[in-house]
Amino acid sequence: DARVTQTPRHKVTEMGQEVTMRCQPILGHNTVFWYRQTMMQGLELLAYFRNRAPLDDSGMPKDRFSAEMPDATLATLKIQPSEPRDSAVYFCASGPSDSTDTQYFGPGTRLTVL
Amino acid sequence: AQTVTQSQPEMSVQEAETVTLSCTYDTSESNYYLFWYKQPPSRQMILVIRQEAYKQQNATENRFSVNFQKAAKSFSLKISDSQLGDTAMYFCAFSSGGSYIPTFGRGTSLIVHP
Repeated sequence: DARVTQTPRHKVTEMGQEVTMRCQPILGHNTVFWYRQTMMQGLELLAYFRNRAPLDDSGMPKDRFSAEMPDATLATLKIQPSEPRDSAVYFCASGPSDSTDTQYFGPGTRLTVL
Repeated sequence: AQTVTQSQPEMSVQEAETVTLSCTYDTSESNYYLFWYKQPPSRQMILVIRQEAYKQQNATENRFSVNFQKAAKSFSLKISDSQLGDTAMYFCAFSSGGSYIPTFGRGTSLIVHP
C-alpha cells in the first residue's frame, strides 16, 4: 500500500550543525508539503510544492531553512545552522492532482537540537 | 483568511460508547473541503474522513461519520463504538477547493477508557 516515507525518523544533533530531512512522496502525487509540529505552535506549514515547483514557503525561516525537490521522488528540507528552537517533529505530506486537496502524511522526523 | 476552531482541547469516552468532536470554520469560499485527521501516540497523521462542501450527504467511514452543517460552518466528527485504538489527537482541517493548502485546527485529544 502506497505511503509517504521520511528519513531519518529520529535525529539528535548539536546546535550549529546542518540537518537534512528527506521525503519520498507517494508515486504519482504532484503536491508535496513540509510541516513542523510543536506543542506550542501546533502544526505549521513550512513549504509547499506542486509539480516540483515551490509555490509557498512563506512559513519557513528563510535564513536557515531551505526546501527542494531534486526530482519527483525526493523532497528535502535542510536546516543550516540548526538551533535548539528547531526541535520539533517535521512531517512531509503528499497529495494527488485530483483537486480534492487530500494529503497523506509521512511518519515524521523527530528532530532534537541540543 | 480561513480559520478552523476546535473548542474541545480534551475529551474522554468509555469504550464502546459514542463521542462527538466539534469543529467550526470560517470562510467566504463556496467550494471547499473539510477533513478529520487522527494522530495516535505514534505521531503518524492518518486521514480519517473527508467531506466536499458541495455534497449535502454527510460522509461516513465505518465507525466514523460527520455532521456537516454548511450554513452554521460546523463539521463535527462522531465516533461510534469507541475503541481503545481511537485514543489520539484529532485534527480538523479546511482547504479551499483546488488551493491544496489546508488550515488545521489546534486539535482535540481523545482518550478512550476501558
